Amino acid sequence: NAGVMQNPRHLVRRRGQEARLRCSPMKGHSHVYWYRQLPEEGLKFMVYLQKENIIDESGMPKERFSAEFPKEGPSILRIQQVVRGDSAAYFCASSRDRGLFSNQPQHFGDGTRLSIL
Amino acid sequence: DQQVKQNSPSLSVQEGRISILNCDYTNSMFDYFLWYKKYPAEGPTFLISISSIKDKNEDGRFTVFLNKSAKHLSLHIVPSQPGDSAVYFCAASNSGYALNFGKGTSLLVTP
Repeated sequence: NAGVMQNPRHLVRRRGQEARLRCSPMKGHSHVYWYRQLPEEGLKFMVYLQKENIIDESGMPKERFSAEFPKEGPSILRIQQVVRGDSAAYFCASSRDRGLFSNQPQHFGDGTRLSIL
Repeated sequence: DQQVKQNSPSLSVQEGRISILNCDYTNSMFDYFLWYKKYPAEGPTFLISISSIKDKNEDGRFTVFLNKSAKHLSLHIVPSQPGDSAVYFCAASNSGYALNFGKGTSLLVTP
């Protein structure tokens, strides 16, 4: 998983606080994807971003969640007013180009484990 | 609405034998399928993929088979090694980017 950097690795928040998760894609990658994994579940697609653009946010909860990928700096997944149900592992992936090809699959980071007290 | 299903939560195989991991899907629009391997506290690592226009793809010890009529794919690992012990996720896409993952199968390869 070298290349896609996520921080923090672990984040603890109390209910009602804000959580900010950061993702730096692999060098040369301009496409970023966020996934969420609830306990005992598979990863669920949340949002797909390119630099300064949200391409598809169909998997994002309608409220409290937002994502950005600014021209400079990492992609940020922001969760406002966190609730216990937000406890999960959040994974970021990146790819060089859009589209799934065997020579350029999505590469994942090691995730941020978010715990809500 | 689990569109990708891995019905075996776990599998145990002896070293040197073949490991077969199975995956079923419900969405006939899926046109690309991938297998990822995941160790605890790490992110998924890409293993192998297959396009819906093929029925087999091979990469070293790993082979993926796709049966579109049955909406079924499988991953074969031959020979299995202890380092293969991990959780294996099947994923599928029809959008070109959003991956739909199964819940995973935990493979244990015993010496």
